[in-house]
Amino acid sequence: DARVTQTPRHKVTEMGQEVTMRCQPILGHNTVFWYRQTMMQGLELLAYFRNRAPLDDSGMPKDRFSAEMPDATLATLKIQPSEPRDSAVYFCASGLGGSYNEQFFGPGTRLTVL
Amino acid sequence: EDKVVQSPLSLVVHEGDTVTLNCSYEVTNFRSLLWYKQEKKAPTFLFMLTSSGIEKKSGRLSSILDKKELFSILNITATQTGDSAIYLCAACQEGAQKLVFGQGTRLTINP
Repeated sequence: DARVTQTPRHKVTEMGQEVTMRCQPILGHNTVFWYRQTMMQGLELLAYFRNRAPLDDSGMPKDRFSAEMPDATLATLKIQPSEPRDSAVYFCASGLGGSYNEQFFGPGTRLTVL
Repeated sequence: EDKVVQSPLSLVVHEGDTVTLNCSYEVTNFRSLLWYKQEKKAPTFLFMLTSSGIEKKSGRLSSILDKKELFSILNITATQTGDSAIYLCAACQEGAQKLVFGQGTRLTINP
């Protein structure tokens, strides 16, 4: 049963600390997305990659957030330094690209910054 | 600015009722409209609609797209408590993979 995996599932940290979230897309999928979900803002796209190349990161605060795909099986989202307003659930999703718009979501990382 | 608006934001009905959820969109170079169901965890894919007027159906759920009026509806008949969730719609643009999500409709089905 192919699925997107994310680690950690929960993270509690203190303001100013670095946070790294990891995502393993479904094998064979060539597009990877990072979303943030809060009660106030709903689902917001932070960044996405196609064939490991970043296509759009306009939704991401550039000064503290960075997203990379070191290889086809791993995507990372890093926050440094973290702030309380970063508290949210961060979802990774992957898809096939082309005419297949469906995106398959991972279980999310619930981040709490104290 | 591209946007997707869902209504109502919240809906509470009794088991067995039929509900209609609405999604309107203003997206440049629109390609397709997707519906997701989100329970406690991640959104799960329901439907993708590309052509106007063609209903997609899965069990008690159905959805249709109107590309002239720029909206879609999601119908759920004979609702069950397991249908309680947040329903998200998202628009996809031609040539881009990213989805623009609406704020979601929180549906609660009471027994």
